[in-house]
Amino acid sequence: EAGVTQSPTHLIKTRGQQVTLRCSPISGHTSVYWYQQALGLGLQFLLWYDEGEERNRGNFPPRFSGRQFPNYSSELNVNALELEDSALYLCASSLPLRQGKRTQYFGPGTRLLVL
Amino acid sequence: GESVGLHLPTLSVQEGDNSIINCAYSNSASDYFIWYKQESGKGPQFIIDIRSNMDKRQGQRVTVLLNKTVKHLSLQIAATQPGDSAVYFCAENISRGTSYGKLTFGQGTILTVHP
Repeated sequence: EAGVTQSPTHLIKTRGQQVTLRCSPISGHTSVYWYQQALGLGLQFLLWYDEGEERNRGNFPPRFSGRQFPNYSSELNVNALELEDSALYLCASSLPLRQGKRTQYFGPGTRLLVL
Repeated sequence: GESVGLHLPTLSVQEGDNSIINCAYSNSASDYFIWYKQESGKGPQFIIDIRSNMDKRQGQRVTVLLNKTVKHLSLQIAATQPGDSAVYFCAENISRGTSYGKLTFGQGTILTVHP
């Protein structure tokens, strides 16, 4: 069974640009989560999508946004990039929470460098 | 609370020894806990989870202990191998309220296994 996949693996952008990161969940998983892992910091929760809707959001500015598609894949968009946005962006997926399943499985991440 | 900190705790062990990695979690309302292993350049890998109605759970070579009185979680790895070298994170989750769906991660512990 394929795990969570993310693309691209690496990305270099400059300040002020916009970026879109993509995630495909494990087959059968309807929830997708996004986390930021900046150098020297732990994983910070960004967003949670379930069945096409945003369910929860972490303490990040509105320039961080995303969406989930009918096939449950997801995009994370970051506008007006700042230097401190440089980080590993991790996507995770889980079975529907309404089934009481809370284990989140992570993808390999997208490494974003903002210059 | 959010995970903060720039200096991760470290644990060095000899191959074949047992390892114990500790984690203090922040929210007494947390009712689900997960341990992840993260190798360099990879996403976190699920190891084992435990619900708050349990105080011990065993997997293959791993045991998680939960002490809700002092909000403490530990991961025991039996017969540690060089391939176990990685950063280990604990994460907590609350099944309701504004933290629904969100994993809050600890700062991580670097485990180094010497052959």
